Amino acid sequence: AQKVTQAQTEISVVEKEDVTLDCVYETRDTTYYLFWYKQPPSGELVFLIRRNSFDEQNEISGRYSWNFQKSTSSFNFTITASQVVDSAVYFCALSEAVYGGSQGNLIFGKGTKLSVKP
Amino acid sequence: DSGVTQTPKHLITATGQRVTLRCSPRSGDLSVYWYQQSLDQGLQFLIQYYNGEERAKGNILERFSAQQFPDLHSELNLSSLELGDSALYFCASSVVSSGTTDTQYFGPGTRLTVL
Repeated sequence: AQKVTQAQTEISVVEKEDVTLDCVYETRDTTYYLFWYKQPPSGELVFLIRRNSFDEQNEISGRYSWNFQKSTSSFNFTITASQVVDSAVYFCALSEAVYGGSQGNLIFGKGTKLSVKP
Repeated sequence: DSGVTQTPKHLITATGQRVTLRCSPRSGDLSVYWYQQSLDQGLQFLIQYYNGEERAKGNILERFSAQQFPDLHSELNLSSLELGDSALYFCASSVVSSGTTDTQYFGPGTRLTVL
């Protein structure tokens, strides 16, 4: 069965610190997709990144970077030089590949609440 | 702004009542998904529609139903409401590309409070 584990429930850092949010997933499928979403205090879910299982290249986008390791079934998210505006709940999600016009629904982790203090 | 719209933003109702949540997908997206976010269950997939047809069901209660209309907007109907149905309900949409899973973009959500 598919499962996403975000072991860190809450993390608190001081502005400008680097922080890594952990995500471990379980799936029996060989083709799957991983996502990170951000939920700021306003409540909406904001898409951050999508990664295919066959693409293990790390990705960097500004202060955000993602480390995908199939060997450890992990897809960790690092924020460099954190800012107060990064305060939010971050969700890791998994979707298996499907075919025939159907799309895989997302299996979410429980989320990690990040608080960045000035 | 994801381009997905949901109405209403907030809904307060009483136990036993019925409500309808509405979602308009991004322009060009054929698939709509509904998710429920509650404190105890987290974010859970409820149901998916693609071009008017139901495609997948998750942990959706029998008291809940949904449909997608020809203009691709979707409605989630919740009936015989219970206190435990209080949650944030999200709609998401995606294009449907053959042989891959596309990114789902989420609406701002509807916060339902059942008193």
